[in-house]
Amino acid sequence: NAGVTQTPKFQVLKTGQSMTLQCAQDMNHNSMYWYRQDPGMGLRLIYYSASEGTTDKGEVPNGYNVSRLNKREFSLRLESAAPSQTSVYFCASSEVVGSNQPQHFGDGTRLSIL
Amino acid sequence: DQQVKQNSPSLSVQEGRISILNCDYTNSMFDYFLWYKKYPAEGPTFLISISSIKDKNEDGRFTVFLNKSAKHLSLHIVPSQPGDSAVYFCAASPKFGPGTRLSVLP
Repeated sequence: NAGVTQTPKFQVLKTGQSMTLQCAQDMNHNSMYWYRQDPGMGLRLIYYSASEGTTDKGEVPNGYNVSRLNKREFSLRLESAAPSQTSVYFCASSEVVGSNQPQHFGDGTRLSIL
Repeated sequence: DQQVKQNSPSLSVQEGRISILNCDYTNSMFDYFLWYKKYPAEGPTFLISISSIKDKNEDGRFTVFLNKSAKHLSLHIVPSQPGDSAVYFCAASPKFGPGTRLSVLP
């Protein structure tokens, strides 16, 4: 019973390198999300996809791109990594977008940019 | 701007006693509030929610209270157990508070 699976779990990059974080869910959810978590700041929404074929910016989209590959998969790409992007990244999914919709989270990707 | 605030970074309580975690918000348009629990090296998991049209929601040992006039909500855990030790996030999707780390001491 996997739920939301994120890969990789850990990654170290050098400034300027690119990387794609992968996320897949097996709950047949329509909506998927990418968050970053920084100390003392909670989770901040980077991008979300309300349904297959759509993506929208969240609170902190600069420096990131996303792709909703199909209903199951939602990837996050850093084109040119910067030290400010050092964070823990969480992918989540929910049945639909809505303020009353609980989100199901993956276990996170811990990313360090040197 | 932090629209969802959790002003206590940490809280310690004795096993069997009540844990009270607080959350304040600034946006009166929020219509639903959710609490998530997070263990180290895991993602947050949904715990309990409350609609803005209610003032209380209960699920087993967990109760959430909402005071709309004060823009304040609280999560009560009774009785607290060591397995409740985790970080608790208050959320008004997609805004999350910074979390409160609860330690339940045996």
